[in-house]
Amino acid sequence: EADIYQTPRYLVIGTGKKITLECSQTMGHDKMYWYQQDPGMELHLIHYSYGVNSTEKGDLSSESTVSRIRTEHFPLTLESARPSHTSQYLCASRPGPSNYGYTFGSGTRLTVV
Amino acid sequence: GQQVMQIPQYQHVQEGEDFTTYCNSSTTLSNIQWYKQRPGGHPVFLIQLVKSGEVKKQKRLTFQFGEAKKNSSLHITATQTTDVGTYFCAGQRGAQKLVFGQGTRLTINP
Repeated sequence: EADIYQTPRYLVIGTGKKITLECSQTMGHDKMYWYQQDPGMELHLIHYSYGVNSTEKGDLSSESTVSRIRTEHFPLTLESARPSHTSQYLCASRPGPSNYGYTFGSGTRLTVV
Repeated sequence: GQQVMQIPQYQHVQEGEDFTTYCNSSTTLSNIQWYKQRPGGHPVFLIQLVKSGEVKKQKRLTFQFGEAKKNSSLHITATQTTDVGTYFCAGQRGAQKLVFGQGTRLTINP
């Protein structure tokens, strides 16, 4: 069973809207990540966090921002959505030690019209 | 920067045939992980390999880590329709972030 939850599961919004994608995990994991993935394609890291008040940009340039005020919560915000943001956004987490696999959420499929 | 290349990008097989996907890193890795993503789903962690030359098996799946810790493979024996999906390798160097390969999409003709 997934212990990492993403909401909404699907979202269709208009261009220019501000949106926040939610990600919460109940496992007490220190490390959390946001990936962008087009269907069936590779995963692109856009943000990550190694703990509360720690956030870093990933490898893919993104116009989104994140925050990590609580261990369990890692929301992703798009200030002004554009059609190019249409994609699937996957949140993942893992414990502090590096020898654990990632647990992924079910993702948010975002469509910007 | 560290790169992880995965081949082939796509593979179509008849049910019952074997399947192999390969992963190559430009640098020596501390460990390598494998994930499976079903169509419409999210990646699910399968296994982690840490030791040079390590071989691990999960039923019909065999995972190998190269002696130089720069390459890895996933082999599926006698594929079944439930094996359909995209298989990703992900390599890590020290305490750095995981770097995912591009994935191999497996489709199966029943």
